Formats: sequence, structure tokens, C-alpha cells
Amino acid sequence: GENVEQHPSTLSVQEGDSAVIKCTYSDSASNYFPWYKQELGKRPQLIIDIRSNVGEKKDQRIAVTLNKTAKHFSLHITETQPEDSAVYFCAAHYGRGSQGNLIFGKGTKLSVKP
Amino acid sequence: GAGVSQTPSNKVTEKGKYVELRCDPISGHTALYWYRQSLGQGPEFLIYFQGTGAADDSGLPNDRFFAVRPEGSVSTLKIQRTERGDSAVYLCASSLIPGTSGLNEQFFGPGTRLTVL
Repeated sequence: GENVEQHPSTLSVQEGDSAVIKCTYSDSASNYFPWYKQELGKRPQLIIDIRSNVGEKKDQRIAVTLNKTAKHFSLHITETQPEDSAVYFCAAHYGRGSQGNLIFGKGTKLSVKP
Repeated sequence: GAGVSQTPSNKVTEKGKYVELRCDPISGHTALYWYRQSLGQGPEFLIYFQGTGAADDSGLPNDRFFAVRPEGSVSTLKIQRTERGDSAVYLCASSLIPGTSGLNEQFFGPGTRLTVL
């Protein structure tokens, strides 16, 4: 079945360093890839997303890249800050056209040390 | 405006009991999703509504799980004969009907933490 693999499961960086989280997906028909940030005990919140007709998207310190041929996409956070500490989930949309649902990775726990 | 809300925030029940979990989506959002999140895992898709109808219920684990959305707004997830393995956070999300630009962001509710003793 459809699957999204996410690595690493935990990531610890020093404040100011960059963090990279990578995901792979199995269905070549997937066309939408959001990234969610979830703080402890809180709801997941969208931080950035990318569609299959775009290879890269940037929003301030956050960027996402997509390689459709290799079926993988990555989240890049630059100049990390302690408030970036959270669990990050990638997801891939499966299904026909606008129907279907999101399949999530297992998450990456990011810790930014001051 | 108001976001997605879910009630109750916490539910403790005994094995074998019946529970109902409620989701109020953002006003005007026609798509509604239910997910289940176990500790240390990502949200796991359960069911997706477009309006009043279930467009995809392939994620429901078995026939003890059922969801309704009779008026195309509020949704209720129903679990019969609960088992300890049903313990998890149940998340609801809603989004606008996909437009010409494609899929839209799913906004999540705070979740209901279900504990089956």
C-alpha cells in the first residue's frame, strides 16, 4: 500500500545551525506534499507545502524541495531557533484528483539547543 | 475566526463500552477528515467526508468504527465495543473544497485523547 518514510526520527542541532528532514513516498501519482509542525500536546499545524508542478518553495527560514523522479522531498530549516523544537511530520496526498487523503510519515523530533 | 473544535478533549472509558467523539469543522469547509494518532506516530487516516457523504472510509480499522456527518458540518466518530488498542488521540481536520488550484490545507482540531481501560 501507500507509504511515506521519514528520516531521521530524532534530530538535535545547535541554535543557528540548519536542520534537514527527508521523506520518500511510494505512489508516483502523489501531487501534494505538506509539512506539519506539532508541539507537545498541541494540534499539527501546516508550516509549508509543495505541489508536484514545483521543485522548490521557500518561506523565510523554511524551504521544501521535491524530486518527483526519485519520489523524495525534504524540509530545510535555516538559522534554527529554540522555538523550532517540535515534532515535524511530512505527508503525501494519495488518491484520484482532489479526492483521497494524506499519508503521514512517523515524524522527526527536532531539538534546538540554545 | 474559530478553528476546528473537538469534544470532549479527554475521554476515559472501560473496555467494551461505546464512545462518540465530536468534530466541529471551520465554517464553510466542506471536506472533513478523521485521523488517529498513537504515541510517537504520525496521524493515521481513518475517513474523509465531502459534504454529507463519506468519500473514502478505507482507513477505518474494522466495523466497530463508524462516522457520520448528517448535515455536512458537524461529524461524529463512533466506536463500539472499545478495546484497549483503541487508545489514542483522535484528530479531526477540515479543508475547503478543492478548487481549481488543487488541494487545500487541512486545518486540524486539538484532538480527543481516548483512553480505554
